[in-house]
Amino acid sequence: GNSVTQMEGPVTLSEEAFLTINCTYTATGYPSLFWYVQYPGEGLQLLLKATKADDKGSNKGFEATYRKETTSFHLEKGSVQVSDSAVYFCALSPTSGTYKYIFGTGTRLKVLA
Amino acid sequence: EAGVTQFPSHSVIEKGQTVTLRCDPISGHDNLYWYRRVMGKEIKFLLHFVKESKQDESGMPNNRFLAERTGGTYSTLKVQPAELEDSGVYFCASSQTGTSGRVPFFGPGTRLTVL
Repeated sequence: GNSVTQMEGPVTLSEEAFLTINCTYTATGYPSLFWYVQYPGEGLQLLLKATKADDKGSNKGFEATYRKETTSFHLEKGSVQVSDSAVYFCALSPTSGTYKYIFGTGTRLKVLA
Repeated sequence: EAGVTQFPSHSVIEKGQTVTLRCDPISGHDNLYWYRRVMGKEIKFLLHFVKESKQDESGMPNNRFLAERTGGTYSTLKVQPAELEDSGVYFCASSQTGTSGRVPFFGPGTRLTVL
């Protein structure tokens, strides 16, 4: 079946540090992949997405590349800020254009000034 | 444009009681989804409405859960009777239809605690 595995948190970094949050998936067919972010007190917001192999999604300095060969979609940012503190969720949609998401467990990021 | 709103933001009830969660999607969004996150685990799909019709309810855990979307606008999710394992955060999301690739917008969630 379909599943998403992401690294356990919490992740604590100093401001301007490099961020990687690992995400791997299992899926039949050709899923679309997403990163969502939840800031304190707010709903889930789409951070970035990729719909096919080798696509790179990017937004707000965050990037993730859809790697079919390693079934991964790792989230990276070169220099984190305190305002990036949030919970990050990796997700897949098994069929393009439909949104019955399979989510990972979420990774809490805390950035210290 | 107002986002997806959910009410209440928090609910604390006793085991065996009934709770009704409400979701107001973005105006004009025909697709409405319910998800929940239990005990810090992954967020799981519950069901999907297209207008007032249940398109997919394969994620509903059992018959204690009843979702409705009368008139194709807001939706309610009733849990009756509530059990301890129902505690978690319930998210609603909505999206437009008619154009493929419309990513859903999520609400802030309702945190349900069953004691």
